Amino acid sequence: QVQLVQSGSELKKPGASVKVSCKASGYTFRNYLLNWVRQVPGQGLEWMGWINTNNGNPTYAQGFTGRFVFSLDPSVSTAYLQISSLRAEDTAVYYCARELYCDNDKCYTIDNWGQGTLVTVSS
Amino acid sequence: EIVLTQSPGTLSLSPGERATLSCRASQYVSSDYLAWFQQRPGQAPRLLISGASSRATGIPDRFSGSGSGTDFTLTVSRLEPEDFAVYYCQQYASSPTTFGQGTKLEIK
Repeated sequence: QVQLVQSGSELKKPGASVKVSCKASGYTFRNYLLNWVRQVPGQGLEWMGWINTNNGNPTYAQGFTGRFVFSLDPSVSTAYLQISSLRAEDTAVYYCARELYCDNDKCYTIDNWGQGTLVTVSS
Repeated sequence: EIVLTQSPGTLSLSPGERATLSCRASQYVSSDYLAWFQQRPGQAPRLLISGASSRATGIPDRFSGSGSGTDFTLTVSRLEPEDFAVYYCQQYASSPTTFGQGTKLEIK
């Protein structure tokens, strides 16, 4: 069955970096793009951007440029989210979520999510 | 970007009752590219509805979506205990994709 398995919770100090992984299984990795979505505790869902699993090209939403980097290792069907210069306000659950690429006349939405990775930034 | 406004913020109902959740878009959502997700406490969101009215695989038929343009509705016909959760609408018609702020469905 389709699974997106993310790495475990992280506790980091301000200024540090963190790398969250998202390992896909149960489907052909290159057939779906991967989104990253942030959820601050007690708040809603915020789209961070996506990565093209065919060429590794990332697209970042406004507010997620500079300190946020999406990357891939297609050989192990895994996507990564790296956040540098961590701040307290980066404390959140980060989700990866797959989505079919648009074809000629139809687009799709997220149909599977990872379990989420809690990143806590605290001194 | 398209702003989605969900109402009400919190809906208090009893099991067996009917729930009606609203999602209003600040601009026309083309091709009815509107989805609904359910999020239970401590869990990842789960896709319920895409294309405004198409149930995702494995979603019970008590969940239904309707609407077009700028006004969309999620209806749960007879609430089961496991349906009490937070519900988000999402538009994927234009980039950036955006989510509503959520409606919390709680037990009365």
